[in-house]
Amino acid sequence: KNQVEQSPQSLIILEGKNCTLQCNYTVSPFSNLRWYKQDTGRGPVSLTIMTFSENTKSNGRYTATLDADTKQSSLHITASQLSDSASYICVVSADNAGNNRKLIWGLGTSLAVNP
Amino acid sequence: NAGVTQTPKFRILKIGQSMTLQCTQDMNHNYMYWYRQDPGMGLKLIYYSVGAGITDKGEVPNGYNVSRSTTEDFPLRLELAAPSQTSVYFCASSYLRPRRPGQGTYEQYFGPGTRLTVT
Repeated sequence: KNQVEQSPQSLIILEGKNCTLQCNYTVSPFSNLRWYKQDTGRGPVSLTIMTFSENTKSNGRYTATLDADTKQSSLHITASQLSDSASYICVVSADNAGNNRKLIWGLGTSLAVNP
Repeated sequence: NAGVTQTPKFRILKIGQSMTLQCTQDMNHNYMYWYRQDPGMGLKLIYYSVGAGITDKGEVPNGYNVSRSTTEDFPLRLELAAPSQTSVYFCASSYLRPRRPGQGTYEQYFGPGTRLTVT
């Protein structure tokens, strides 16, 4: 069964600190892995998308890594800001055609950044 | 560009009522999607469309209908609302531009969501 598991479920950090969120997946076939940020009451916003051949990708203070052999990904947030408080969702695509028809969504990590 | 817009933002329905959730995108995207997000669950695909006039079922289509008469609009219809349809509904769009067969751009853009309660 295709699954995406994220840890931790929730995390509280102080402003300015770094943190790393984890994503383990069992999805076949594998097409790409995405990280989304979802603010409370808003739709998800894409942070990074990585295909099988990419093992790291950055978007500002966000850096995602992918180990396709161990089926693990991480999202590292550097120098956290209050605006980073959100849910971070790992999503794996099992669709090589790119039409986003077979996306396996994780439950997200809820991050709270406190002053 | 406004991106993906959804109306209404909130709605309360009585059991058995009908309604249409509106979704519009101004990015000339060919693909559009409807998802629902239930508390403690990942997003579930309800329906998707690969272009005007073409729609297909997703993972949880029962109780819903869609149409795609234009590139911009992708309304979701609930015919007989049930409490199980209480959820947050997100519309999304993407543009598939194949560089090589089997490859394309994957990024989805989401609307702000519609929070629906059926009582």
